[in-house]
Amino acid sequence: KQEVTQIPAALSVPEGENLVLNCSFTDSAIYNLQWFRQDPGKGLTSLLLIQSSQREQTSGRLNASLDKSSGRSTLYIAASQPGDSATYLCAVIGGNNRLAFGKGNQVVVIP
Amino acid sequence: KAGVTQTPRYLIKTRGQQVTLSCSPISGHRSVSWYQQTPGQGLQFLFEYFSETQRNKGNFPGRFSGRQFSNSRSEMNVSTLELGDSALYLCASSIAGQEYNEQFFGPGTRLTVL
Repeated sequence: KQEVTQIPAALSVPEGENLVLNCSFTDSAIYNLQWFRQDPGKGLTSLLLIQSSQREQTSGRLNASLDKSSGRSTLYIAASQPGDSATYLCAVIGGNNRLAFGKGNQVVVIP
Repeated sequence: KAGVTQTPRYLIKTRGQQVTLSCSPISGHRSVSWYQQTPGQGLQFLFEYFSETQRNKGNFPGRFSGRQFSNSRSEMNVSTLELGDSALYLCASSIAGQEYNEQFFGPGTRLTVL
């Protein structure tokens, strides 16, 4: 069974600092990895999708890397802003076509 | 292009009742998956439908069921509600239901069971 872990569970950073969020998974047989953002009480917004053959993806201030062999992904958010405060969820999908989620990184960016 | 929509957004029910939740995927998407989110368990997979057929099912009791219509809209039903069914129910759609397809989520339905 795929286990996805996100550490730390919660973190606070001052505005302007770069954010580094880590995700690890136990089964490297994945098709892709997605990073999502969730605001309190809301649905999930897809941020980045990394196919298993890719090493990284970038969108604006966001960059996500994937090391499938070691079962790790990292999401970098450059120059954090108060609007980046949210919970960030990492999810992997394997051959059973279901997303396995971590518990998330709850981020607070302090103005 | 409209995103994934879910109705209703909020529901309050009492134990023993049943409830039906609805999900309309992004136009052209044929796969719909359902997830339950609770503070303790996080996000857990319920089931996935593709072309009106259930393809995958998670580890939930038979009280949880679903279906998909020919226009790809999906409904989820929970019978004999229990307090522990209180959760945010999210649906996700993808274009072809392949493992490498990106999944897009709706805003969720918040179910409270009293």
